[in-house]
Amino acid sequence: EVQLVESGGGLVQPGGSLRLSCAASGFTFSSYWMHWVRQAPGKGLVWVSRINSDGNTTNYADSVKGRFTISRDNAKNTLYLQMNSLRAEDTAVYYCARAGVVIGSGGRACDYWGQGTLVTVSS
Amino acid sequence: DIQMTQSPSSLSASVGDRVTITCRASQSISSYLNWYQQKPGKAPNLLIYAASSLHSGVPSRFSGSGSGTDFTLTISSLQPEDFATYYCQQSYSTPRTFGPGTTVDIK
Repeated sequence: EVQLVESGGGLVQPGGSLRLSCAASGFTFSSYWMHWVRQAPGKGLVWVSRINSDGNTTNYADSVKGRFTISRDNAKNTLYLQMNSLRAEDTAVYYCARAGVVIGSGGRACDYWGQGTLVTVSS
Repeated sequence: DIQMTQSPSSLSASVGDRVTITCRASQSISSYLNWYQQKPGKAPNLLIYAASSLHSGVPSRFSGSGSGTDFTLTISSLQPEDFATYYCQQSYSTPRTFGPGTTVDIK
């Protein structure tokens, strides 16, 4: 059974840092692109970042570029999101997701999602 | 960046109704369009990928169509478990933008 379990969320002051983890099991983690998506309270889904299967290609939303870093440890089956210089507007539930469905020549859809971890940025 | 819009933002419907949600991209995305369903307090679930392909395990009352800039999600006969928020997302280019969502609630 495919499972994605996020951890590392919590309350942090503006300007602070936090590292989220996403532990994967039930599939060959090293074969899949992975994504982070966030959702502010009562708001819609917002794509944050993605990383390719071996970790050497990453992309970010403009709103987090230069502050967040996505990475992975395929030996530990774990995805990470290092978040620095946090702002109030980064407050959200953060989901990791597996990009398991390949569409045509490169697009993918996210077929499995974790339960999310809440990050609250407040003084 | 590609902007995604959805209409309506919300709708009220009854069990058994046919429901249609529209998604529009700010530029052509071919068929790189996915639909997700999300219920309160839960993670999203993939319904449709590549504009019209039904994800494994998704009931056949869900269908998708469109290409280029205009897409549609249709629920042929709304069931009680379908009351939720629906999001489109383009997977044509980064950032992988989502639409703002359409909430389907009970009339």
